[in-house]
Amino acid sequence: EAGVTQSPTHLIKTRGQQATLRCSPISGHTSVYWYQQALGLGLQFLLWYDEGEERNRGNFPPRFSGRQFPNYSSELNVNALELEDSALYLCASTRTGGNTEAFFGQGTRLTVV
Amino acid sequence: GEDVEQSLFLSVREGDSSVINCTYTDSSSTYLYWYKQEPGAGLQLLTYIFSNMDMKQDQRLTVLLNKKDKHLSLRIADTQTGDSAIYFCAENSLMGYGGSQGNLIFGKGTKLSVKP
Repeated sequence: EAGVTQSPTHLIKTRGQQATLRCSPISGHTSVYWYQQALGLGLQFLLWYDEGEERNRGNFPPRFSGRQFPNYSSELNVNALELEDSALYLCASTRTGGNTEAFFGQGTRLTVV
Repeated sequence: GEDVEQSLFLSVREGDSSVINCTYTDSSSTYLYWYKQEPGAGLQLLTYIFSNMDMKQDQRLTVLLNKKDKHLSLRIADTQTGDSAIYFCAENSLMGYGGSQGNLIFGKGTKLSVKP
């Protein structure tokens, strides 16, 4: 069974541009979570999608947004990129109705220059 | 608010036991987790414990939970060089939809170094 897959693995953008990151959850999982792992800041919760709806949002500005598609895959969009957006972005998925086990993808390394 | 605290570094010798400690603040958390992150990789779920348990053992891993003190620990027996990684403690937030499911709140991670 395939795990959580994220693409691309690396992304380089210039300040002010937009970045789109993608995540495919494990088959049968309907919840997708996005986290930002910036150097020295640990893992910060960004967004949670379940059954196509945004369920919760972390303390990030509105230029961080996303969506979940009918097949439960998800996109994270970051507009007006800033240098401090450089980080590893991790996606996790769980089954609906309980998050006893959240499985993570390998992440997308976003570098803003 | 919710917060998870861990010490940042731990160094042990190969073959010794490692104990990584964590404190959390949200007494309503139902599950507490340990994740492992190797360099350049995502997070690997090692184990988790339900909040009504005080101990869980899984091969070389032992998790102890002191709910009164909100203290969680991970013991790795017979630590190997392959165990060198960053270990994250996490609690689940019950905010949001239905009150029974939510995102994870992570500590900053403990970097475990295993010396031969």
